[in-house]
Amino acid sequence: EDQVTQSPEALRLQEGESSSLNCSYTVSGLRGLFWYRQDPGKGPEFLFTLYSAGEEKEKERLKATLTKKESFLHITAPKPEDSATYLCAVQGSGGGADGLTFGKGTHLIIQP
Amino acid sequence: DAGVIQSPRHEVTEMGQEVTLRCKPISGHDYLFWYRQTMMRGLELLIYFNNNVPIDDSGMPEDRFSAKMPNASFSTLKIQPSEPRDSAVYFCASTGQGTGELFFGEGSRLTVL
Repeated sequence: EDQVTQSPEALRLQEGESSSLNCSYTVSGLRGLFWYRQDPGKGPEFLFTLYSAGEEKEKERLKATLTKKESFLHITAPKPEDSATYLCAVQGSGGGADGLTFGKGTHLIIQP
Repeated sequence: DAGVIQSPRHEVTEMGQEVTLRCKPISGHDYLFWYRQTMMRGLELLIYFNNNVPIDDSGMPEDRFSAKMPNASFSTLKIQPSEPRDSAVYFCASTGQGTGELFFGEGSRLTVL
């Protein structure tokens, strides 16, 4: 069974204070690791896909990295509009595996 | 594009009543997923369809839950009878070619009293 664990559960930062969110995973045959952003009252919104260890993706102040056991979402000089819940998910290669297994997320608050 | 459309956005019902949630996926997407989100368990996959055919329903909690996709532009998730522990936000998502880049609707918040 695929599993995803995210830490910390919640993180409060000052504007401009860089940090990293962690996603640890176990999966049978990784097809992809995904990061999503979820704002209150909305559905998750896709950010990144990572396919293999060593891969990195960047978008504005966010950078996602991947190893064989975990992924990090680095946030550089965050702004209040970066406040959201960030979800990590994996897609494995087992039977019926097109669905994603999500972690519970990290609730990020950026204070001005 | 309109995105994934879900209805109703909010539903409050009493225990024992039937609940039907509806979803219109993005045109051209051949995969449709139903997820449930709670504080305790996070996002859980309930069932997904490929080309209108159910592929994996192992996440459906019990026989009270059923889902259908009669055509490429419509799906329903039904709970009968509903129970208070079914209270959650139910999300529908679609994608093309089985990629992990899912497009989520805004969800249906269900409260069962």
